Amino acid sequence: AQKITQTQPGMFVQEKEAVTLDCTYDTSDPSYGLFWYKQPSSGEMIFLIYQGSYDQQNATEGRYSLNFQKARKSANLVISASQLGDSAMYFCAMREEQGGSEKLVFGKGTKLTVNP
Amino acid sequence: EAGVVQSPRYKIIEKKQPVAFWCNPISGHNTLYWYLQNLGQGPELLIRYENEEAVDDSQLPKDRFSAERLKGVDSTLKIQPAELGDSAVYLCASSLYGGTWSSYNEQFFGPGTRLTVL
Repeated sequence: AQKITQTQPGMFVQEKEAVTLDCTYDTSDPSYGLFWYKQPSSGEMIFLIYQGSYDQQNATEGRYSLNFQKARKSANLVISASQLGDSAMYFCAMREEQGGSEKLVFGKGTKLTVNP
Repeated sequence: EAGVVQSPRYKIIEKKQPVAFWCNPISGHNTLYWYLQNLGQGPELLIRYENEEAVDDSQLPKDRFSAERLKGVDSTLKIQPAELGDSAVYLCASSLYGGTWSSYNEQFFGPGTRLTVL
């Protein structure tokens, strides 16, 4: 079963508008972490924002905010005031711990296109 | 501060040939990861090192893939022999593990090596 689901293969937004990228996750572990990464065409994964399962408030980093709804197991990324440079692939990931070892499990990603 | 360095950026080989990828993590980072990213997919972990020790290699196809991290710094990932299905991007990442997973452990990624097997 998929642990991270990103249901939007592609999204379009006008420059300066806000956009929400969806992410749902599946885990039975009470302690987990959720990440969003941006991957431009150059290939590197750029860390954007993190939300811990015990964090009381939604995480924010500049124009990025994470809409964390624990009961729904969703961790949507909100980008405010979109810029042309925001066009990229966006990946949601969950930190998974197994036997003392940790790894990130990624979703399939959403391709965001910002139109001028 | 220099980021994670990977080389080569692109590699084209014929099937059955060997290939090797190199990764230099961020200075001081004790944990190093190799990920495989197929087209249209998110990265999948192949192997994770803490210093010199491979602590998670459960997803590494050991019949043809091998990796090493000598002296706990640079790492090399090798495929021998390469198959058509190995065409993908191979990403290296590093992080600083402080001994507990109670806080987030940001991973810094390199630009990746795009492998094409003909």
